Amino acid sequence: RKEVEQDPGPFNVPEGATVAFNCTYSNSASQSFFWYRQDCRKEPKLLMSVYSSGNEDGRFTAQLNRASQYISLLIRDSKLSDSATYLCVVVVASGNTPLVFGKGTRLSVIA
Amino acid sequence: DTAVSQTPKYLVTQMGNDKSIKCEQNLGHDTMYWYKQDSKKFLKIMFSYNNKELIINETVPNRFSPKSPDKAHLNLHINSLELGDSAVYFCASRDSGNTIYFGEGSWLTVV
Repeated sequence: RKEVEQDPGPFNVPEGATVAFNCTYSNSASQSFFWYRQDCRKEPKLLMSVYSSGNEDGRFTAQLNRASQYISLLIRDSKLSDSATYLCVVVVASGNTPLVFGKGTRLSVIA
Repeated sequence: DTAVSQTPKYLVTQMGNDKSIKCEQNLGHDTMYWYKQDSKKFLKIMFSYNNKELIINETVPNRFSPKSPDKAHLNLHINSLELGDSAVYFCASRDSGNTIYFGEGSWLTVV
């Protein structure tokens, strides 16, 4: 099983739709979780951290399920500008351990 | 103002050449990385440095040699370039909260 797995997509959704992505991780000792966004031909940028109790930032909601070892990202009322690749990131331990990136899920929001 | 800057942004070179990519961060972070993103968009860590010390060296050909003159700089030198080295190389730094800040990437094409 890969360390971090995501459905590559693409997810093609109409404007205004709600879309959800899941990401599974293999190491039960994983401690920190993030969602990054990468636009075409750009660098990845932090979208949001994922907290144990779940957290929301505007139209975006992130959740963590430790028992099943997955995190999710929900986007409500999709905008054309949400089209990007969403990368799941997992940190096993603090310190110098590198963050492990998933391969990303591509989202296309269509007018 | 750029937090993590890397040069050059684009590089086209012939097989067998030696080239370098420079990276600097002005965020005061102790940890810096080099990531490689290939044509399949998979973001894979190559090297990790903490305060000028090499921490992680993933399975990377020894034609790739990182160098950190100080904790704000992490350069990447590549000897005897091969076609398979064509990719986007991202420099990054990490803060104490495990957030990664990426440079804009260096697009390397080996012909």
